[in-house]
Amino acid sequence: GESVGLHLPTLSVQEGDNSIINCAYSNSASDYFIWYKQESGKGPQFIIDIRSNMDKRQGQRVTVLLNKTVKHLSLQIAATQPGDSAVYFCAEILMGGNKLTFGTGTQLKVEL
Amino acid sequence: EPEVTQTPSHQVTQMGQEVILRCVPISNHLYFYWYRQILGQKVEFLVSFYNNEISEKSEIFDDQFSVERPDGSNFTLKIRSTKLEDSAMYFCASSRQSHEKLFFGSGTQLSVL
Repeated sequence: GESVGLHLPTLSVQEGDNSIINCAYSNSASDYFIWYKQESGKGPQFIIDIRSNMDKRQGQRVTVLLNKTVKHLSLQIAATQPGDSAVYFCAEILMGGNKLTFGTGTQLKVEL
Repeated sequence: EPEVTQTPSHQVTQMGQEVILRCVPISNHLYFYWYRQILGQKVEFLVSFYNNEISEKSEIFDDQFSVERPDGSNFTLKIRSTKLEDSAMYFCASSRQSHEKLFFGSGTQLSVL
């Protein structure tokens, strides 16, 4: 039968604004989280990661925040550029494991 | 910068045929993975491989699928008898150690006709 594509949440921002992409997880055993960027026709590209013993980690123009109490993490992109347009996935690895499980993704569109 | 490389970038095959997707993981990495992504959907785990054996596999990875590390550099995914629903982008990934970030290749787009 015909497969229906997943409807991705979309975030539209103006160039130069800050972007915040959110992700919720449900498994308390998740203790390592990674954000990936995927451009059309390409593989997931590592952006930033955070382990559960931290609540904030910063990279170049990106910050990841982890709130273990409500099982939520976010990716903040400062001064968003057209090149940031892509689908962003959060992914998790369970304690002691190596299998990475992806979330459904958010489409980021940067408007000029 | 070291990267995971995958060949071919596109593969078209007839239903029922066997296909082999090839990957060269990053050279000092010890853990290897295959994922797939059906158009417009999320990236799904297929299998992880360490120390020359499968360490975990998903329910998608049935008897039609197999993986192999035939030499010190290549990592392959074989689908014995392809089905229409196997059409997807297949990504290879590797990580240096367990519980570390995965690096992904650019994928092989498999089309089963």
